[in-house]
Amino acid sequence: AQKVTQAQTEISVVEKEDVTLDCVYETRDTTYYLFWYKQPPSGELVFLIRRNSFDEQNEISGRYSWNFQKSTSSFNFTITASQVVDSAVYFCALRESGYSTLTFGKGTMLLVSP
Amino acid sequence: EADIYQTPRYLVIGTGKKITLECSQTMGHDKMYWYQQDPGMELHLIHYSYGVNSTEKGDLSSESTVSRIRTEHFPLTLESARPSHTSQYLCASSGSGRTAASTDTQYFGPGTRLTVL
Repeated sequence: AQKVTQAQTEISVVEKEDVTLDCVYETRDTTYYLFWYKQPPSGELVFLIRRNSFDEQNEISGRYSWNFQKSTSSFNFTITASQVVDSAVYFCALRESGYSTLTFGKGTMLLVSP
Repeated sequence: EADIYQTPRYLVIGTGKKITLECSQTMGHDKMYWYQQDPGMELHLIHYSYGVNSTEKGDLSSESTVSRIRTEHFPLTLESARPSHTSQYLCASSGSGRTAASTDTQYFGPGTRLTVL
């Protein structure tokens, strides 16, 4: 059965620090998709990125970057030069091929103080 | 980016009342989902639908019911609300792409915060 683990329940940083959110997944499927979502205090889940299991290329989008490593079953998310607006709960999720439902991690709450 | 709407955003209601949480999407997505999220943050899938007249129960048992009569509409109903139903309810939708490598990314609505007194 699939599983997503976000071991960090809460992280507190000061503005401009870099921070990495960890995500470890388990699946027996060879084709799967990984996602990150952001949930600000307003409550809506905002889609950030999707990664296919056959594409291990890291991705950078502005201050956000993602490191996908199949060898360690990890899909970590780094925010460079964090800002107060980055304060939110971040969820990692897994979808196996042939399924539409997602398996979510329990989320990591990021608090960025000025 | 999908356009998905939920109403009401906030609802405070007394025990025993019947309530319906509305969810609509304008992207023509065939799949829709309901999640329950307690203050502890964890998301639980309670219902999903692969299309019109198709509904399935999710991982978390729920006393709520859903219907899918139209592609764009996926309402959730509680026949008799109880304090244990107090939670945030999030609706999502996803659609298959045009290629075999369908992304089926789920896009979420703003959520409904339900409080049952």
